[in-house]
Amino acid sequence: SQELEQSPQSLIVQEGKNLTINCTSSKTLYGLYWYKQKYGEGLIFLMMLQKGGEEKSHEKITAKLDEKKQQSSLHITASQPSHAGIYLCGADIAGSNYKLTFGKGTLLTVNP
Amino acid sequence: EAQVTQNPRYLITVTGKKLTVTCSQNMNHEYMSWYRQDPGLGLRQIYYSMNVEVTDKGDVPEGYKVSRKEKRNFPLILESPSPNQTSLYFCASRRTGASAQHFGDGTRLSIL
Repeated sequence: SQELEQSPQSLIVQEGKNLTINCTSSKTLYGLYWYKQKYGEGLIFLMMLQKGGEEKSHEKITAKLDEKKQQSSLHITASQPSHAGIYLCGADIAGSNYKLTFGKGTLLTVNP
Repeated sequence: EAQVTQNPRYLITVTGKKLTVTCSQNMNHEYMSWYRQDPGLGLRQIYYSMNVEVTDKGDVPEGYKVSRKEKRNFPLILESPSPNQTSLYFCASRRTGASAQHFGDGTRLSIL
């Protein structure tokens, strides 16, 4: 079974709408990393979360890590076409020895 | 500029012809790894290295080799490529400890 579940798998929104992507683990996350990828291109690091309850923002993107450190959400406010792409969560999970575990990604389409 | 550089970006070759994809990072990171990304399967780790002369298998190591003779370089070698190794490959590096992993721009390999 997938250690890191992302939902939804894909999302189509109208420009200007808000949206949320979730990343859930059955194990404690010691570090949670959000990346964005344009199709066929490299992964761009967005944010890192470590502490339970932590929240970080960058422009219109906000990411949170829950108190139990098993779930993270990425929220985009007033989406724009430039937000389109694949969002991946990666995590340091206990016993992983620096290997990041990744979710399968969420494909976001923003229609103008 | 801090970066992970991999070459080539694109390669079309034939079954059985040995090839090497180079990877170099300028951030003095201890940990380096190779991933392949395939539709529906997400990112899968091929090999990783904790430091110079220390390498280990990831989740899908069959058909690949790596070496880590210097801290900055981590080449991926396909001794006898086969069509099922057609994929998008990423090299990545990070410090040991809680830190973001930095990715190269990717290498798209097509094995005919």
